[in-house]
Amino acid sequence: DQQVKQNSPSLSVQEGRISILNCDYTNSMFDYFLWYKKYPAEGPTFLISISSIKDKNEDGRFTVFLNKSAKHLSLHIVPSQPGDSAVYFCAAIPGSGNTGKLIFGQGTTLQVKP
Amino acid sequence: DTGVSQDPRHKITKRGQNVTFRCDPISEHNRLYWYRQTLGQGPEFLTYFQNEAQLEKSRLLSDRFSAERPKGSFSTLEIQRTEQGDSAMYLCASGQSYEQYFGPGTRLTVT
Repeated sequence: DQQVKQNSPSLSVQEGRISILNCDYTNSMFDYFLWYKKYPAEGPTFLISISSIKDKNEDGRFTVFLNKSAKHLSLHIVPSQPGDSAVYFCAAIPGSGNTGKLIFGQGTTLQVKP
Repeated sequence: DTGVSQDPRHKITKRGQNVTFRCDPISEHNRLYWYRQTLGQGPEFLTYFQNEAQLEKSRLLSDRFSAERPKGSFSTLEIQRTEQGDSAMYLCASGQSYEQYFGPGTRLTVT
C-alpha cells in the first residue's frame, strides 16, 4: 500500500507565479517529512524538511506546510523560476525505530514556463 | 566535500550475470542507505547501515542481493544472477540525522 501519495503527476505554472505541490500520507506515526527535487540523470536533491511538531517551515523561496489532522503537506515555491522545473518528491520518516529510512511518494513533475 | 559518489553511473549486463555497485558517502556521515527507483515511481528503501552494521533490510532485498559497508566507510551492493526485473536506478544516500543526501545513482539495465 502506498503510505505517501502525490496524486498530481504533473503541474505547469508560469514563471513568477506560485507553485503548490501536494502530498498526502496515511500513517499518523510519521514524525518527519522532507521534500526532494530531482533532475533527469541525477540523484534527488534535498530541499526542505519539517518535523511533525511544527506546521510550517520556510527557507527562501520554499515553504512547507503540514496539516496533521488532514495528513497533508504541501510545498510552496514563490516565485517560481524556470530552473525549478524538475520532479518533486515528498518523503516521510516513520516514528517507530530509528533507522531514518525514507518512504517516498510517486513524484510530481513541475514545469515552469518562461 | 564532493558529496556522495557512486560507481559506475551506468551498467548494462546480461541476465544471469553478477553486478556490483559502489557508493562513497559524505565522509562524516555514519548512516548509509540504498534505494531503488523504477520509472514513474519514487525511490524505494532497500537497506540501511549505521557505521559498518547493517541494521535493516527491506523485503524487496531478495537473497540475490547483498550489501556491505566494511569499516563503516564505502558500501557495495551486489546483485547475483541478475534478472530483467532488476533493471532500475540504484541510489545511495548518506546522512547524520533526518536529512539524507543522495548520490547520482547507478542505472542498471539487464538484457
